[in-house]
Amino acid sequence: NAGVTQTPKFQVLKTGQSMTLQCAQDMNHNSMYWYRQDPGMGLRLIYYSASEGTTDKGEVPNGYNVSRLNKREFSLRLESAAPSQTSVYFCASSLNRREYEQYFGPGTRLTVT
Amino acid sequence: AQSVTQLDSQVPVFEEAPVELRCNYSSSVSVYLFWYVQYPNQGLQLLLKYLSGSTLVKGINGFEAEFNKSQTSFHLRKPSVHISDTAEYFCAVSVPYNTDKLIFGTGTRLQVFP
Repeated sequence: NAGVTQTPKFQVLKTGQSMTLQCAQDMNHNSMYWYRQDPGMGLRLIYYSASEGTTDKGEVPNGYNVSRLNKREFSLRLESAAPSQTSVYFCASSLNRREYEQYFGPGTRLTVT
Repeated sequence: AQSVTQLDSQVPVFEEAPVELRCNYSSSVSVYLFWYVQYPNQGLQLLLKYLSGSTLVKGINGFEAEFNKSQTSFHLRKPSVHISDTAEYFCAVSVPYNTDKLIFGTGTRLQVFP
């Protein structure tokens, strides 16, 4: 039981490049989330998916898109990376809307130059 | 809307001393409250949560927190810290049955010295 896994662990992009961050969970959770963590700002929600087939914007969705590929996988795409997107990205999952314990992946450290 | 304020960005403390990490929240409705811990270069893991019932909540690794509705606080305490408690601690709130989003505070860095 791996929990929540994320790939890649590290990535360096040039401004304007695109990439997709992958996330998968093996806990049969319904809800999945993408956060970014910046120094002094805590974690901010980018997008979330309450169940397979649905996605909703969080606090900071601009510049990102998401896909809930199936119940296990939730990917985050940067279409045209900008230096302001340099951050650590965390994926999380929870059983359902009423199970508020979220389980986090190890994170992806992204640098945009 | 809900918000969370962690009053201290850094808390230095010596090993075996007690510690309190402060968290205040703002909400016009009842909330659920959480403390998460993030060890260096890792994701977050749940320390403890308050959903309802007893206002004193015990979590993992000897931590506990007390929910105080009148002061809208949820401070985290440990009577004797270890070097291994060095980490970043995040307080978070959510609104029951309204949304499954967590709102995080900005974090408190606990540094335990020998």
